[in-house]
Amino acid sequence: KQEVTQIPAALSVPEGENLVLNCSFTDSAIYNLQWFRQDPGKGLTSLLLIQSSQREQTSGRLNASLDKSSGRSTLYIAASQPGDSATYLCAGMDTGRRALTFGSGTRLQVQP
Amino acid sequence: GAVVSQHPSWVICKSGTSVKIECRSLDFQATTMFWYRQFPKQSLMLMATSNEGSKATYEQGVEKDKFLINHASLTLSTLTVTSAHPEDSSFYICSARDPRGTNQETQYFGPGTRLLVL
Repeated sequence: KQEVTQIPAALSVPEGENLVLNCSFTDSAIYNLQWFRQDPGKGLTSLLLIQSSQREQTSGRLNASLDKSSGRSTLYIAASQPGDSATYLCAGMDTGRRALTFGSGTRLQVQP
Repeated sequence: GAVVSQHPSWVICKSGTSVKIECRSLDFQATTMFWYRQFPKQSLMLMATSNEGSKATYEQGVEKDKFLINHASLTLSTLTVTSAHPEDSSFYICSARDPRGTNQETQYFGPGTRLLVL
């Protein structure tokens, strides 16, 4: 059974800093790896999706990498802004049902 | 982009009543829908996978007789929490995908339904 772990659980940084969020998964047989953003009391916003055959994806100030062999993914946020404050979730999609297994998230606070 | 709606967004009910939550894909046909549950300060946990026209597949530990799922059309899935109790209070989120579409593996998430059972 897939298990997804995210470190750190919480992170507080001053505005402008570059930061890295970590995600690890136990089953390397994933179909893809996705990163989401969740604001308090809200649903999910999809940020990046990395196919199992890919190594990284970029969107604006966000860059996500995937290393299946080590079971790790990282989300890099450049020049952080207060508006980036949210909980960031990574999730691995299984190859069968195409369901997502989520990590517990990293709560990010960017101080102005 | 594809939009998934959920109704209601908030529901408060008394213990012992049943609550129905709707998940709709607004501009695409979703042959598969997923129901997730999120307890406070925890991550999303998959409850069940729903395929149009067939019985839902429940995850281990999720009672199928308590959480009734119906996926009768390509745009609508419903989750009914029967005889709800306070421990069922949670944030329920659905997602939908269209495996025949161009973005076959993309799951589109609804905004969630917050359930509070008194």
